[in-house]
Amino acid sequence: DSGVTQTPKHLITATGQRVTLRCSPRSGDLSVYWYQQSLDQGLQFLIQYYNGEERAKGNILERFSAQQFPDLHSELNLSSLELGDSALYFCASSVGGPVGETQYFGPGTRLLVL
Amino acid sequence: AQKITQTQPGMFVQEKEAVTLDCTYDTSDPSYGLFWYKQPSSGEMIFLIYQGSYDQQNATEGRYSLNFQKARKSANLVISASQLGDSAMYFCAMREENTGRRALTFGSGTRLQVQP
Repeated sequence: DSGVTQTPKHLITATGQRVTLRCSPRSGDLSVYWYQQSLDQGLQFLIQYYNGEERAKGNILERFSAQQFPDLHSELNLSSLELGDSALYFCASSVGGPVGETQYFGPGTRLLVL
Repeated sequence: AQKITQTQPGMFVQEKEAVTLDCTYDTSDPSYGLFWYKQPSSGEMIFLIYQGSYDQQNATEGRYSLNFQKARKSANLVISASQLGDSAMYFCAMREENTGRRALTFGSGTRLQVQP
């Protein structure tokens, strides 16, 4: 158990809908990262938050947004869903400081868009 | 731009044997970190081992060791005494430390199957 929690574990929805994925980082970790794992794109970085502020953006679509709350949990919002958004979405957390720090991954949310 | 290459889509190894999973990388940042993660069929990503670009010695964690050859830009994972539970996808990842972006860039992965 990495200490990172993600809910829900599975999500099935329809095209055009909006969903929210939730992540709670490990105790003491200030940084949260979101990654998407799909068959065609592999593992891709979406976005990073540090202590409530957006720190870096990767290949995140405009239909997707995220935020990190004062209690450091984070939510990833996916809207106007398309079939191609079906993927495993991971949240990872780290202390957010030293060089060489490790990112610990949550169990992921498996999203299926029908 | 940073890049990670894993050229072995799949590997087989006999139980109790050692296996090496290949990873090469490309970066212009002199400070970087290399990571290996394991993803079993259940889907979670499990951190295995880390090697920093300035580390003089190869990293080891139990049965896992990282064969770091800086000049060749390779960071191969060696698993000794393979166990059936080692069957999984293995991902090599890199983070450039001077860019300010702390996200990981992943390779395409290697599926390891341990045979009894």
